[in-house]
Amino acid sequence: AQSVTQLGSHVSVSEGALVLLRCNYSSSVPPYLFWYVQYPNQGLQLLLKYTSAATLVKGINGFEAEFKKSETSFHLTKPSAHMSDAAEYFCAVSDEGIGKLIFGTGTRLQVFP
Amino acid sequence: GAVVSQHPSWVICKSGTSVKIECRSLDFQATTMFWYRQFPKQSLMLMATSNEGSKATYEQGVEKDKFLINHASLTLSTLTVTSAHPEDSSFYICSASQGGEAFFGQGTRLTVV
Repeated sequence: AQSVTQLGSHVSVSEGALVLLRCNYSSSVPPYLFWYVQYPNQGLQLLLKYTSAATLVKGINGFEAEFKKSETSFHLTKPSAHMSDAAEYFCAVSDEGIGKLIFGTGTRLQVFP
Repeated sequence: GAVVSQHPSWVICKSGTSVKIECRSLDFQATTMFWYRQFPKQSLMLMATSNEGSKATYEQGVEKDKFLINHASLTLSTLTVTSAHPEDSSFYICSASQGGEAFFGQGTRLTVV
């Protein structure tokens, strides 16, 4: 069975600091991995996805993630946090490539001025 | 990207009544849609896979008689919460896939009083 684990339910950074949100996955087949962002009372917006092409994936809003098979990780990073980055972030895995997603528990990112 | 619209965005209903939530793919056809449920400050849990023209596939532990799903057309899936109770209060989100990416509706916050 597939699963994802997000380490740290809350992450706080100062504006301009590095953002690092951790995600580890478990999958018996080559996975499709995703990072989504959710603002309060809204749906999810795709930040980026890994689909077995380049291991370093660049997404929207300056975010990127690196797929490391040896570590079964897909951590999300951003060099410099902005106040508007404050939101809930979800890592997700799928073995079907589309649609049916298994989500991690989420990480709430707070950005302080 | 493709657009998935959910309606209503919020609804309050009395205990014992039924509530219908609509999920529409506005600019593409979706043979499969997915329904998720999100409790406050928690992750999204897949409830069921909605298949156009056939019965929905429910995840383990989800009561199919309580959460009725109908996918009568290629652009519309509905979730009806029957005989709603306060414990059904939650945030419900649908998604549909196109071009290898899942697109999410904006979610429906259901409050049962």
